[in-house]
Amino acid sequence: AQSVAQPEDQVNVAEGNPLTVKCTYSVSGNPYLFWYVQYPNRGLQFLLKYITGDNLVKGSYGFEAEFNKSQTSFHLKKPSALVSDSALYFCAVRDMEVSGKLIFGQGTTLQVKP
Amino acid sequence: EPEVTQTPSHQVTQMGQEVILRCVPISNHLYFYWYRQILGQKVEFLVSFYNNEISEKSEIFDDQFSVERPDGSNFTLKIRSTKLEDSAMYFCASSERTFYQPQHFGDGTRLSIL
Repeated sequence: AQSVAQPEDQVNVAEGNPLTVKCTYSVSGNPYLFWYVQYPNRGLQFLLKYITGDNLVKGSYGFEAEFNKSQTSFHLKKPSALVSDSALYFCAVRDMEVSGKLIFGQGTTLQVKP
Repeated sequence: EPEVTQTPSHQVTQMGQEVILRCVPISNHLYFYWYRQILGQKVEFLVSFYNNEISEKSEIFDDQFSVERPDGSNFTLKIRSTKLEDSAMYFCASSERTFYQPQHFGDGTRLSIL
C-alpha cells in the first residue's frame, strides 16, 4: 500500500531564513509526488510535482522540492521564507494504477515569524 | 485561471437528514474526486469518478454516500442519512486527461451535523 509521512507537525522559521518541510513516501513502483498548500478556510493549492527527470523541481511562489530515491524523500524547500508562506503544507503521492487518487501525509504547519 | 467551485461553503444539518454537496469542476477535466478533512486530521480520499461511473471508493464511502454528474457540469456528493461523524470539510477536485497533471481543488464545504 502506498503511504506518505510528514514527520513534523509544525516547522518554525524566521523570515528570510531557508525553510524545509519534510516528506517521505512508500510506494511500489515509480512515485508520482505532489506538494499542496492550504491557507485557512481555503482548498488545497498545487505547488509542484515530481513525475520524472531532474531531482530538483521548481514550483509556485519560489518553492522547490528535492526528490531523493534512495532516501524515499521529497522535501519541500524555499531559500528565503516569507511571513505569507505561513500555512498548512501537504505532501501527496498519486495512485497511478486505478483512479489517480491522492494519498496525503498528515500535513505540516509552517509558521514564519517576522 | 479556471477554478473548481463548491456550494454551499457551509452547511448545517440535523443528524439523520439528507445533504447534497455541489461542485462545478473545471470544464475540460475528466477525472473527479471527493475528499474530506475532519478537523485537525489529514485529507482523506472518498471517491473517484470517471466516464460517468465510480472508478474507486474508500471504506468511508458506504451505502449512505452517492455521487452524480447529472448534467455534464455539476458533480454532487449526497449523504442520505447524516451522522455526527460526517462533520468535516468536504473537498471536490478535478484533473485533466492524465494522472501526471495535478488535481485542482475547490475551497470546500464545511458540513456541520447537529
